[in-house]
Amino acid sequence: GAGVSQSPRYKVTKRGQDVALRCDPISGHVSLYWYRQALGQGPEFLTYFNYEAQQDKSGLPNDRFSAERPEGSISTLTIQRTEQRDSAMYRCASSLVPGLAAQQTQYFGPGTRLLVL
Amino acid sequence: AQSVAQPEDQVNVAEGNPLTVKCTYSVSGNPYLFWYVQYPNRGLQFLLKYITGDNLVKGSYGFEAEFNKSQTSFHLKKPSALVSDSALYFCAVRDRDDKIIFGKGTRLHILP
Repeated sequence: GAGVSQSPRYKVTKRGQDVALRCDPISGHVSLYWYRQALGQGPEFLTYFNYEAQQDKSGLPNDRFSAERPEGSISTLTIQRTEQRDSAMYRCASSLVPGLAAQQTQYFGPGTRLLVL
Repeated sequence: AQSVAQPEDQVNVAEGNPLTVKCTYSVSGNPYLFWYVQYPNRGLQFLLKYITGDNLVKGSYGFEAEFNKSQTSFHLKKPSALVSDSALYFCAVRDRDDKIIFGKGTRLHILP
């Protein structure tokens, strides 16, 4: 597609339920990133992938959060047993080239706004 | 540890006037610096980046930013503001292969 897409755009769930957030990166982009953005804050890194390999998951808050990218394209961020404090905007980004990725521009999707009641 | 600060929560500028959105950073090595803009109900859009070379970086929509190593700053500027520039602006820094760190954002209001 032309840009990074995310679904759903909005998700309302009850505390204790599991949610799965999907990210479809720009076609051909090797690296994929997940961020969480609280209201009034900048995006906070969660995890990233090069191809299908998860390179860094140090930003995941706890073991209820997990992510996968099994075929090196679409990625899913899963939150198990959701809590109210998980409510936030979850953003996905992709970049073209892996390796020394510091120089690479990340292109962001529109985000999924998660509300846990 | 790397960090980035945007000291202003909000900046108000009259249309047609020059604008500046401030950003300062802290990294242990050479910084890679970025500016992103977020319009309502849309994702973050890349504006410009500094990797190396010329300290004045030109980006999208007429924006530019000046890298100042001695002041550890990377302020975003535009000579003449448009109402359509009203948005939330994020500065970000990356230190080699570390994670990218975003500032908390500055809301820019351009007054007609």
